Amino acid sequence: GESVGLHLPTLSVQEGDNSIINCAYSNSASDYFIWYKQESGKGPQFIIDIRSNMDKRQGQRVTVLLNKTVKHLSLQIAATQPGDSAVYFCAENSGGSNYKLTFGKGTLLTVNP
Amino acid sequence: EPEVTQTPSHQVTQMGQEVILRCVPISNHLYFYWYRQILGQKVEFLVSFYNNEISEKSEIFDDQFSVERPDGSNFTLKIRSTKLEDSAMYFCASSEQGNYGYTFGSGTRLTVV
Repeated sequence: GESVGLHLPTLSVQEGDNSIINCAYSNSASDYFIWYKQESGKGPQFIIDIRSNMDKRQGQRVTVLLNKTVKHLSLQIAATQPGDSAVYFCAENSGGSNYKLTFGKGTLLTVNP
Repeated sequence: EPEVTQTPSHQVTQMGQEVILRCVPISNHLYFYWYRQILGQKVEFLVSFYNNEISEKSEIFDDQFSVERPDGSNFTLKIRSTKLEDSAMYFCASSEQGNYGYTFGSGTRLTVV
Protein backbone atom coordinates (compact mmCIF):
# COMPACT_ATOMS: atom_id res chain seq x y z
CA GLY A 1 0.00 0.00 0.00
CA GLU A 2 0.99 3.66 -0.03
CA SER A 3 3.26 4.67 2.78
CA VAL A 4 6.09 7.05 3.31
CA GLY A 5 8.21 6.70 6.39
CA LEU A 6 11.30 8.19 7.96
CA HIS A 7 14.16 6.23 9.46
CA LEU A 8 14.95 8.65 12.29
CA PRO A 9 12.43 10.73 14.19
CA THR A 10 15.08 13.14 15.55
CA LEU A 11 18.44 14.40 14.37
CA SER A 12 20.75 16.68 16.31
CA VAL A 13 23.75 18.30 14.61
CA GLN A 14 26.27 21.01 15.30
CA GLU A 15 26.09 24.28 13.46
CA GLY A 16 28.19 24.08 10.32
CA ASP A 17 27.91 20.32 9.97
CA ASN A 18 26.12 18.65 7.11
CA SER A 19 22.76 17.01 7.83
CA ILE A 20 21.24 14.02 6.13
CA ILE A 21 17.57 13.19 6.58
CA ASN A 22 16.29 9.93 5.16
CA CYS A 23 12.94 8.73 3.91
CA ALA A 24 11.66 5.39 2.65
CA TYR A 25 8.67 5.00 0.43
CA SER A 26 6.77 1.91 -0.57
CA ASN A 27 4.75 2.97 -3.61
CA SER A 28 6.81 2.15 -6.66
CA ALA A 29 4.32 4.12 -8.79
CA SER A 30 5.30 7.39 -7.11
CA ASP A 31 6.79 9.72 -9.67
CA TYR A 32 7.30 12.94 -7.76
CA PHE A 33 8.77 13.68 -4.37
CA ILE A 34 9.00 16.82 -2.29
CA TRP A 35 10.83 17.76 0.88
CA TYR A 36 9.05 20.19 3.17
CA LYS A 37 10.26 22.09 6.19
CA GLN A 38 7.78 22.84 8.94
CA GLU A 39 8.51 25.29 11.71
CA SER A 40 6.40 25.37 14.83
CA GLY A 41 2.91 26.76 14.17
CA LYS A 42 3.48 27.12 10.43
CA GLY A 43 2.51 25.24 7.32
CA PRO A 44 4.83 23.01 5.31
CA GLN A 45 7.35 25.08 3.38
CA PHE A 46 8.67 23.74 0.08
CA ILE A 47 12.38 23.01 0.09
CA ILE A 48 13.16 20.96 -2.99
CA ASP A 49 11.52 18.43 -5.26
CA ILE A 50 12.60 15.67 -7.58
CA ARG A 51 10.91 13.65 -10.29
CA SER A 52 11.37 9.94 -10.67
CA ASN A 53 13.35 10.31 -13.88
CA MET A 54 16.16 11.92 -11.88
CA ASP A 55 18.37 10.59 -9.10
CA LYS A 56 19.81 13.85 -7.82
CA ARG A 57 18.80 17.45 -7.66
CA GLN A 58 20.59 20.35 -6.05
CA GLY A 59 19.33 23.59 -4.65
CA GLN A 60 20.84 26.23 -2.47
CA ARG A 61 22.60 24.30 0.35
CA VAL A 62 20.25 21.36 -0.18
CA THR A 63 20.50 18.23 -2.27
CA VAL A 64 17.88 15.55 -2.74
CA LEU A 65 18.90 12.04 -3.73
CA LEU A 66 16.48 9.46 -5.04
CA ASN A 67 17.24 5.76 -5.19
CA LYS A 68 14.34 4.06 -6.91
CA THR A 69 15.90 0.63 -6.60
CA VAL A 70 15.55 0.64 -2.83
CA LYS A 71 12.77 3.27 -2.71
CA HIS A 72 14.82 5.68 -0.68
CA LEU A 73 14.93 9.45 -0.62
CA SER A 74 17.33 11.66 1.27
CA LEU A 75 17.74 15.35 1.96
CA GLN A 76 21.20 16.71 2.50
CA ILE A 77 21.64 20.11 4.06
CA ALA A 78 25.11 21.60 3.79
CA ALA A 79 26.57 23.81 6.52
CA THR A 80 23.52 23.46 8.72
CA GLN A 81 22.46 26.65 10.47
CA PRO A 82 20.30 27.24 13.57
CA GLY A 83 17.56 28.51 11.27
CA ASP A 84 17.38 25.05 9.73
CA SER A 85 15.96 23.66 12.98
CA ALA A 86 12.50 22.36 12.13
CA VAL A 87 10.58 19.21 11.30
CA TYR A 88 11.32 17.90 7.82
CA PHE A 89 8.78 15.85 5.90
CA CYS A 90 9.14 13.95 2.70
CA ALA A 91 6.03 13.65 0.57
CA GLU A 92 5.27 11.62 -2.51
CA ASN A 93 2.81 11.84 -5.34
CA SER A 94 1.78 8.45 -6.58
CA GLY A 95 1.26 9.61 -10.12
CA GLY A 96 -2.48 10.06 -10.01
CA SER A 97 -4.05 12.95 -11.79
CA ASN A 98 -5.35 14.41 -8.55
CA TYR A 99 -1.89 15.29 -7.22
CA LYS A 100 -2.54 14.06 -3.72
CA LEU A 101 0.58 14.11 -1.57
CA THR A 102 1.31 11.36 0.94
CA PHE A 103 3.49 12.60 3.79
CA GLY A 104 5.93 10.78 6.02
CA LYS A 105 5.94 11.18 9.79
CA GLY A 106 8.65 13.82 9.91
CA THR A 107 12.15 14.19 11.33
CA LEU A 108 12.91 16.82 13.92
CA LEU A 109 16.22 18.48 13.10
CA THR A 110 17.89 20.36 15.93
CA VAL A 111 20.94 22.46 15.17
CA ASN A 112 23.14 23.21 18.13
CA PRO A 113 25.15 26.44 18.03
CA GLU B 1 6.23 35.77 -3.16
CA PRO B 2 2.63 34.59 -3.65
CA GLU B 3 1.04 33.05 -0.59
CA VAL B 4 -1.90 30.87 0.33
CA THR B 5 -3.84 32.71 3.03
CA GLN B 6 -5.94 30.97 5.65
CA THR B 7 -8.38 32.40 8.17
CA PRO B 8 -8.87 32.23 11.04
CA SER B 9 -5.52 31.18 12.43
CA HIS B 10 -7.22 29.61 15.42
CA GLN B 11 -10.84 28.49 15.83
CA VAL B 12 -12.37 27.13 19.00
CA THR B 13 -15.78 25.52 18.68
CA GLN B 14 -18.10 23.38 20.72
CA MET B 15 -18.70 19.79 19.77
CA GLY B 16 -21.60 19.49 17.37
CA GLN B 17 -21.21 22.97 15.98
CA GLU B 18 -20.50 23.77 12.34
CA VAL B 19 -17.27 25.45 11.35
CA ILE B 20 -16.08 26.95 8.11
CA LEU B 21 -12.38 27.27 7.45
CA ARG B 22 -11.41 29.75 4.79
CA CYS B 23 -8.58 29.86 2.30
CA VAL B 24 -7.50 32.18 -0.45
CA PRO B 25 -5.32 30.18 -2.86
CA ILE B 26 -2.70 31.73 -5.10
CA SER B 27 -4.55 33.59 -7.81
CA ASN B 28 -3.42 31.72 -10.93
CA HIS B 29 -3.55 28.28 -9.35
CA LEU B 30 -6.03 25.73 -10.63
CA TYR B 31 -5.80 22.90 -8.10
CA PHE B 32 -6.85 23.23 -4.49
CA TYR B 33 -6.42 20.95 -1.50
CA TRP B 34 -7.16 20.52 2.15
CA TYR B 35 -4.90 18.59 4.48
CA ARG B 36 -4.96 18.16 8.21
CA GLN B 37 -2.37 17.45 10.86
CA ILE B 38 -3.28 16.12 14.26
CA LEU B 39 -0.83 17.33 16.90
CA GLY B 40 2.44 15.45 16.66
CA GLN B 41 1.41 13.42 13.66
CA LYS B 42 2.00 13.58 9.94
CA VAL B 43 0.13 15.70 7.47
CA GLU B 44 -2.83 13.83 5.98
CA PHE B 45 -4.64 14.45 2.72
CA LEU B 46 -8.33 15.28 2.94
CA VAL B 47 -9.53 16.40 -0.47
CA SER B 48 -8.47 17.80 -3.81
CA PHE B 49 -10.57 20.13 -5.93
CA TYR B 50 -10.27 21.02 -9.59
CA ASN B 51 -12.56 22.56 -12.15
CA ASN B 52 -15.21 23.28 -9.51
CA GLU B 53 -15.52 19.74 -8.29
CA ILE B 54 -13.91 17.29 -5.94
CA SER B 55 -11.34 15.21 -7.80
CA GLU B 56 -10.31 12.96 -4.93
CA LYS B 57 -11.09 12.58 -1.25
CA SER B 58 -9.70 10.45 1.54
CA GLU B 59 -11.49 8.19 4.00
CA ILE B 60 -11.30 11.00 6.54
CA PHE B 61 -13.42 13.22 4.32
CA ASP B 62 -16.79 11.78 5.23
CA ASP B 63 -20.26 13.26 4.89
CA GLN B 64 -19.56 15.76 7.65
CA PHE B 65 -17.06 17.53 5.42
CA SER B 66 -17.68 19.63 2.35
CA VAL B 67 -15.69 22.05 0.24
CA GLU B 68 -16.75 24.97 -1.84
CA ARG B 69 -15.28 27.61 -4.06
CA PRO B 70 -18.00 30.24 -3.63
CA ASP B 71 -16.32 32.85 -5.80
CA GLY B 72 -13.17 33.29 -7.84
CA SER B 73 -10.86 33.64 -4.90
CA ASN B 74 -12.02 31.70 -1.82
CA PHE B 75 -11.90 28.00 -1.08
CA THR B 76 -13.66 26.79 2.04
CA LEU B 77 -13.81 23.64 4.14
CA LYS B 78 -16.97 23.10 6.15
CA ILE B 79 -17.36 20.62 8.97
CA ARG B 80 -21.07 20.27 9.71
CA SER B 81 -21.05 18.77 13.18
CA THR B 82 -17.64 18.86 14.76
CA LYS B 83 -16.30 16.06 16.90
CA LEU B 84 -13.51 16.14 19.45
CA GLU B 85 -11.32 14.15 17.08
CA ASP B 86 -11.62 16.88 14.45
CA SER B 87 -9.23 18.97 16.53
CA ALA B 88 -6.17 19.48 14.33
CA MET B 89 -4.30 21.92 12.15
CA TYR B 90 -6.01 22.26 8.80
CA PHE B 91 -3.86 23.29 5.88
CA CYS B 92 -5.06 24.60 2.56
CA ALA B 93 -2.80 24.21 -0.45
CA SER B 94 -2.92 25.13 -4.10
CA SER B 95 -0.92 24.30 -7.17
CA GLU B 96 -0.65 25.89 -10.57
CA GLN B 97 -0.73 22.81 -12.71
CA GLY B 98 -0.65 19.50 -10.97
CA ASN B 99 2.46 19.35 -8.82
CA TYR B 100 3.93 22.63 -10.03
CA GLY B 101 4.06 25.38 -7.43
CA TYR B 102 2.41 23.29 -4.69
CA THR B 103 2.12 25.79 -1.84
CA PHE B 104 0.66 25.43 1.63
CA GLY B 105 -0.95 28.04 3.82
CA SER B 106 -0.01 28.59 7.45
CA GLY B 107 -2.99 26.62 8.66
CA THR B 108 -6.00 26.99 10.93
CA ARG B 109 -5.77 25.39 14.33
CA LEU B 110 -9.20 23.94 15.09
CA THR B 111 -9.94 23.08 18.68
CA VAL B 112 -13.18 21.27 19.42
CA VAL B 113 -14.25 21.36 23.08
